[in-house]
Amino acid sequence: GENVGLHLPTLSVQEGDNSIINCAYSNSASDYFIWYKQESGKGPQFIIDIRSNMDKRQGQRVTVLLNKTVKHLSLQIAATQPGDSAVYFCAVITGTASKLTFGTGTRLQVTL
Amino acid sequence: DAGITQSPRHKVTETGTPVTLRCHQTENHRYMYWYRQDPGHGLRLIHYSYGVKDTDKGEVSDGYSVSRSKTEDFLLTLESATSSQTSVYFCAISENGPAVGYTFGSGTRLTVV
Repeated sequence: GENVGLHLPTLSVQEGDNSIINCAYSNSASDYFIWYKQESGKGPQFIIDIRSNMDKRQGQRVTVLLNKTVKHLSLQIAATQPGDSAVYFCAVITGTASKLTFGTGTRLQVTL
Repeated sequence: DAGITQSPRHKVTETGTPVTLRCHQTENHRYMYWYRQDPGHGLRLIHYSYGVKDTDKGEVSDGYSVSRSKTEDFLLTLESATSSQTSVYFCAISENGPAVGYTFGSGTRLTVV
C-alpha cells in the first residue's frame, strides 16, 4: 500500500512571505503526484501535478518539488495571499493503481 | 464545481435508516469516485466506478454500496446508517482515471444521530 503524510498539520505565514508545505510518501514506485487546495466548505481543487520523471514544475505562484531519493514532495507558494488560506493535500498514485492516495492535509493560515 | 453536482448538500438521519447520496456529472467522464473525509484521516476512498455498471471497492467500503446505471449518475447508499458514518462525503470524476487527477464536487455533510 501507500502511506502519505504531511510534516505539519498547521502552517502559519505572513502575507507576502513564501510558504512551503511538505509531504512524504512511502512507495518508491509512486509515479504521479498532485497537490490539492481545499477551502472551507468546498471540495478539493487541483493546484499542480508532477510526474516522477521530473524534479520540479512551476505554475502561477506555485512550484512543486519532487525528491525521489527521500520520497518527499513539497509545494511552494510565492508571495502568499489571504486567499491562499486553506487546507492543502498531496495525493500520490503508483503504477497501475486505480486510485489516488491522499495525505491528511496541512492547514495554511495567512496572517496580515 | 462546474460539471459535478452532489445532492443533498446536508442531511441528518437516524441510526439504522438507509441513506442515498447522489453524484451527477455533465462531463461524460468515465471514472467516478466516492470519498469520505474525516478529521485526521484525509480523504478515504469508499467505492469507485470505471464505467456504467462497473464498480469496485475502495479502502473503507464496509456498510456502503454503490450503483451506476448511467454515465452521469453515481449513487452511494448507506444500507443502515451508523454514527461512525457521520462524515463529509465527496464525489470526484476523472476522464481517464487517476493518472490525470480528479475534479471534486462540493460535498455532502451527513450526520447520523
